Amino acid sequence: AQKVTQAQTEISVVEKEDVTLDCVYETRDTTYYLFWYKQPPSGELVFLIRRNSFDEQNEISGRYSWNFQKSTSSFNFTITASQVVDSAVYFCALSEFGNTDKLIFGTGTRLQVFP
Amino acid sequence: DTAVSQTPKYLVTQMGNDKSIKCEQNLGHDTMYWYKQDSKKFLKIMFSYNNKELIINETVPNRFSPKSPDKAHLNLHINSLELGDSAVYFCASSHLNEQFFGPGTRLTVL
Repeated sequence: AQKVTQAQTEISVVEKEDVTLDCVYETRDTTYYLFWYKQPPSGELVFLIRRNSFDEQNEISGRYSWNFQKSTSSFNFTITASQVVDSAVYFCALSEFGNTDKLIFGTGTRLQVFP
Repeated sequence: DTAVSQTPKYLVTQMGNDKSIKCEQNLGHDTMYWYKQDSKKFLKIMFSYNNKELIINETVPNRFSPKSPDKAHLNLHINSLELGDSAVYFCASSHLNEQFFGPGTRLTVL
């Protein structure tokens, strides 16, 4: 069965701190995709990254970086030098290869960044 | 240009009513979805359509009926609304495992 676990329900940090959001997934497929989405207080779902199961290279985009480790079935997300605008709920999601493309979401981690 | 649009953005209605939410995408994608986000922020897929055909129905009550008049539209009709239907409903479309979400419709059932 497919499952995504985000064990951290809520994280609070002070601006400029680094913060890592954990994501652990379960799937029986060998081909799959992993995603992170941001949901700011305004409510929309903002796509951050997609990773396929064959690409274990870590990715950096500005202050954001992602660490994909198949050996531990984890796809963690780090924000460096956090800012108040990073305050949001962050969702990790999994989709298995095929024509359904449906996303299985984790329960989300609420990040609050205080000035 | 909005890629995935939903109307209305907010919907407040009484228990027992029937309501519809419309979704349109201008991305030329074949696959469209409805997701429900409950009050605890949990996001779960409800339906998926590929080229106007239903391919996923995740044990959603029969009161929910999606309709796809063409591959650019996937509407959600809900009969006999219940308090527990209050949620944010997101429409999405996808191509090659990349999903684009609409802005969401917040449904409140009183």
